Amino acid sequence: QKEVEQNSGPLSVPEGAIASLNCTYSDRGSQSFFWYRQYSGKSPELIMFIYSNGDKEDGRFTAQLNKASQYVSLLIRDSQPSDSATYLCAVSSTSGGSYIPTFGRGTSLIVHP
Amino acid sequence: DTGVSQNPRHKITKRGQNVTFRCDPISEHNRLYWYRQTLGQGPEFLTYFQNEAQLEKSRLLSDRFSAERPKGSFSTLEIQRTEQGDSAMYLCASTVNTGELFFGEGSRLTVL
Repeated sequence: QKEVEQNSGPLSVPEGAIASLNCTYSDRGSQSFFWYRQYSGKSPELIMFIYSNGDKEDGRFTAQLNKASQYVSLLIRDSQPSDSATYLCAVSSTSGGSYIPTFGRGTSLIVHP
Repeated sequence: DTGVSQNPRHKITKRGQNVTFRCDPISEHNRLYWYRQTLGQGPEFLTYFQNEAQLEKSRLLSDRFSAERPKGSFSTLEIQRTEQGDSAMYLCASTVNTGELFFGEGSRLTVL
């Protein structure tokens, strides 16, 4: 069974700090990696995706992928109180012709002023 | 609004009743997914469609659950003989083949 593991948190950081969110996955055939943000009572929204080893930056967000270690992370620079949410890691592969993103349980992030 | 639309947003039902949820995906998206989410957990895969074909269904999905996507447009998820354990948020998402999911607002089910 394909598994995606995340520390449920909460991760608490002060405003302006860097928040680091981590995710590990079990399926070595995984090819696509996503980070979603979910505010309380709302549905997930995509904030980053990464397909290749290394770093990918988009504004204050940086996604990092290490396929050898089966590890993906999300860094949020200059964290703001509005970043307080649950961050879901999702992983998928196209093995067998299917494409089913598997989600972790999410990490709760709290950014305090 | 051209996002994913789900109806109803909230449904309260008594145990044993049938419920149906509808999802209207983004029009050019050929893949449509149903997930279920409970408090403190990530979305759990239920089933997905490519156009009108249901390509995969979770082994966790009992026979009380059925989904359709006639003509590859909107989709419905029906739960028969609801149980209290079915209480959850039911999320629909759509995408083109790139795989980045766009979620609807969800349909929250409460089974009394």
